Amino acid sequence: SQQGEEDPQALSIQEGENATMNCSYKTSINNLQWYRQNSGRGLVHLILIRSNEREKHSGRLRVTLDTSKKSSSLLITASRAADTASYFCAHGGSNYKLTFGKGTLLTVNP
Amino acid sequence: DAGVIQSPRHEVTEMGQEVTLRCKPISGHNSLFWYRQTMMRGLELLIYFNNNVPIDDSGMPEDRFSAKMPNASFSTLKIQPSEPRDSAVYFCASSLDRNIQYFGAGTRLSVL
Repeated sequence: SQQGEEDPQALSIQEGENATMNCSYKTSINNLQWYRQNSGRGLVHLILIRSNEREKHSGRLRVTLDTSKKSSSLLITASRAADTASYFCAHGGSNYKLTFGKGTLLTVNP
Repeated sequence: DAGVIQSPRHEVTEMGQEVTLRCKPISGHNSLFWYRQTMMRGLELLIYFNNNVPIDDSGMPEDRFSAKMPNASFSTLKIQPSEPRDSAVYFCASSLDRNIQYFGAGTRLSVL
């Protein structure tokens, strides 16, 4: 399977703590993206990092990419209850296709 | 912009019935994707259109599934006949030039 894998499958933290999620993939990539899905809703794009980038920031989000290890991490700093959601990584190659992992369920307790 | 619009939001039907799911992509986007999401298999790409033309339908599970995009602002996914194992959440997404994908709210399908 070309599907990526997120780790951990579930993560529960207290408000104010940082949350780190990891993603691994198997193929060469053009870019890697992270999406969030709130319960019962569609996926929402968070951040895209290209294969020639190593780190990217967007607000409280920090994404790293290590193409030699075929892995990425998403760090959410100073988490809030509203960050509770499932987080998916998706990797894209030279074509149109995004391959999604099965996601990490993040629960931020108030 | 209203985003990607899917209808219906929920569909309950009986086995053997025809089901049609609808999608209106974001205006100006040239790529459209249909996905299926289940707990067991995660998010699976069913079919991809570019400029209204089906490019890759290798994810369509069987001949019971068909998809059309008659114009740039409308697409349908049809299941005929439906089976209980088709129960899932079906998402439509659109993008411009194959980068970030914008998802609709999904259609939750239950086949009894």
